Amino acid sequence: SQKIEQNSEALNIQEGKTATLTCNYTNYSPAYLQWYRQDPGRGPVFLLLIRENEKEKRKERLKVTFDTTLKQSLFHITASQPADSATYLCALGDTGRRALTFGSGTRLQVQP
Amino acid sequence: DTGVSQNPRHKITKRGQNVTFRCDPISEHNRLYWYRQTLGQGPEFLTYFQNEAQLEKSRLLSDRFSAERPKGSFSTLEIQRTEQGDSAMYLCASSLGAGPNEKLFFGSGTQLSVL
Repeated sequence: SQKIEQNSEALNIQEGKTATLTCNYTNYSPAYLQWYRQDPGRGPVFLLLIRENEKEKRKERLKVTFDTTLKQSLFHITASQPADSATYLCALGDTGRRALTFGSGTRLQVQP
Repeated sequence: DTGVSQNPRHKITKRGQNVTFRCDPISEHNRLYWYRQTLGQGPEFLTYFQNEAQLEKSRLLSDRFSAERPKGSFSTLEIQRTEQGDSAMYLCASSLGAGPNEKLFFGSGTQLSVL
C-alpha cells in the first residue's frame, strides 16, 4: 500500500540556520508533490508545489527538491526564524481523480 | 473574508448522537474535500466533490458518515451514531481544479469530541 513518511520527531534548530525536512514515499508514482504549513488549531496552508519533471523549486526562503528515483522530497527553510515554528506536511497527488494524500508531518521548532 | 469557512468550530457530543458539520468553500472553487485529522497525524482523506458530484470516498469511511454538496456550493458532513473513535478535527478544503492545480485551501476545522 502507499506510504508517505516524514520524521515523526520534532526538528529543533537555532535561528538563522537552515532547516531541512524530509518526505519519503513508497508504492506511489506522484505527478506532483506539495508542502503545507500547519499551526496548532488551524488548517494547513499551502506553501509550494513541485511537479515530477522538476528537480527544484524556490520561493523566497523556501526550497523544495523532488527526486523521483529516490522517491524523496527535501524541504529547506534558509535563515530560519522563530516564526517558522510549525508542523510541515508533504502531500502527494496525481493527475487522476484521486485527492491529495498527506504525510503525518514534521514539527519544526526554531529557537531564538 | 473569502476563505473556507467551517461551522461549528467545536462540537461536544455524547456517544450515539448524530452530528452535522457545515463547510462553505471559496466561491469560485469547484472541488470540495473533507479530511479528518487526529493529534500527531496528517490529514486523512474522507471524500471529495467536484461541483455537486461526489467523486471519491475513502474505503475507511464508515457507512455512518455521509456528505452532501447540494447545488455545488456548501457541503455538510453528517456522522450518525457517533463513537469515541470519531473524535478528531474535521477539515474542509476547496480547490480551483484538479491535478497540478489542486492547491488546497483549508478551513480552520471542526473539532469533534465524543464523550
